Amino acid sequence: DQQVKQNSPSLSVQEGRISILNCDYTNSMFDYFLWYKKYPAEGPTFLISISSIKDKNEDGRFTVFLNKSAKHLSLHIVPSQPGDSAVYFCAASALNYGQNFVFGPGTRLSVLP
Amino acid sequence: DSGVTQTPKHLITATGQRVTLRCSPRSGDLSVYWYQQSLDQGLQFLIQYYNGEERAKGNILERFSAQQFPDLHSELNLSSLELGDSALYFCASSVQGAVNSPLHFGNGTRLTVT
Repeated sequence: DQQVKQNSPSLSVQEGRISILNCDYTNSMFDYFLWYKKYPAEGPTFLISISSIKDKNEDGRFTVFLNKSAKHLSLHIVPSQPGDSAVYFCAASALNYGQNFVFGPGTRLSVLP
Repeated sequence: DSGVTQTPKHLITATGQRVTLRCSPRSGDLSVYWYQQSLDQGLQFLIQYYNGEERAKGNILERFSAQQFPDLHSELNLSSLELGDSALYFCASSVQGAVNSPLHFGNGTRLTVT
């Protein structure tokens, strides 16, 4: 039973345009959400997070939106750059669960020059 | 550089053997997590330690065990290895005890069981 889902295995976007990566979760106890980026042969790198008390968090070109009623979050990258090409993982945790982080299966983003 | 160090980077071994994967967390981080990533799969949580004590267990097989030592480094022991254990094993650390602190990952150990 996947508690964190990323239904798009891959996404291609033109350089300079917006990339939107989506993530859905099923456990209403989750209260902290994160996005990670992973290049081949490297570990996942923390990008941005959001707690359930907010609906938006911004850091430079990266913005995460949280819709708790829909149990949905998204990562917007604007403008997209070729260096953003990587696999993006959505993750969620719940304080009451000891902050175990549950990861989605990932979305491979390709930014085309 | 995340500050999390994992050794070795690559490990090739035969079925039935036992291996030990090592992880040094970021300076100041008390919590260590182990994750497994099989081919084209997501990250599966195995086990978490906090300041030497086991905090949570995920989908960790009985053939696998881990510990965190007083200097906070951690080891993941995999025994009676099977072909299906071939995967990337990631260690991550976090401050823990601070609410909502992200995980920081090492670059992983790639285990190949032949």
